[in-house]
Amino acid sequence: GAVVSQHPSRVICKSGTSVKIECRSLDFQATTMFWYRQFPKKSLMLMATSNEGSKATYEQGVEKDKFLINHASLTLSTLTVTSAHPEDSSFYICSADILAKNIQYFGAGTRLSVL
Amino acid sequence: GQQLNQSPQSMFIQEGEDVSMNCTSSSIFNTWLWYKQDPGEGPVLLIALYKAGELTSNGRLTAQFGITRKDSFLNISASIPSDVGIYFCAGQLNTGGFKTIFGAGTRLFVKA
Repeated sequence: GAVVSQHPSRVICKSGTSVKIECRSLDFQATTMFWYRQFPKKSLMLMATSNEGSKATYEQGVEKDKFLINHASLTLSTLTVTSAHPEDSSFYICSADILAKNIQYFGAGTRLSVL
Repeated sequence: GQQLNQSPQSMFIQEGEDVSMNCTSSSIFNTWLWYKQDPGEGPVLLIALYKAGELTSNGRLTAQFGITRKDSFLNISASIPSDVGIYFCAGQLNTGGFKTIFGAGTRLFVKA
């Protein structure tokens, strides 16, 4: 159990376009999902906390208009990188929280490359 | 703010050796978690610890929740090449809502 599916696993896009990344909890309901960014050889950097049915909570320094988060159901959260630029290239990872356990289970990550 | 100090930053070991890594903090945590991340993948949960002093094993892995609730260690016995990866500790606080803080990671390299 506790499977989190993240899609796509890799995306290459042109500068100025928008990219949507999906995070789904497959066998449990997740009222809270998290979006992280990871730079090469670095730890996980929390970008935002996504709560079902309400606005996401963004960490300091993360532009909410740049990284749009939608958590419309208990099993799906999406991250949209708007007007992507090369500096947005990174590894983005989502996680979902099982309410009763308060443990985060991670997706496999999305490698975004902006040309 | 709360911080976790994870060490060592990296380890180069021979296959068959035992490995130990730890995390410390000045904050008291409710839960300690250990994850492993393979290259190009998301972290996978290895062990979760809920009580001070708790010692839990998962195969060749053993982790303990420190008595003071400010530290945890992870041991890997008889390492094998597939143990290669980044190991992250994570401490969880209840600050009116649960907040999880990740360590910087320990990169493990195993030489066959």
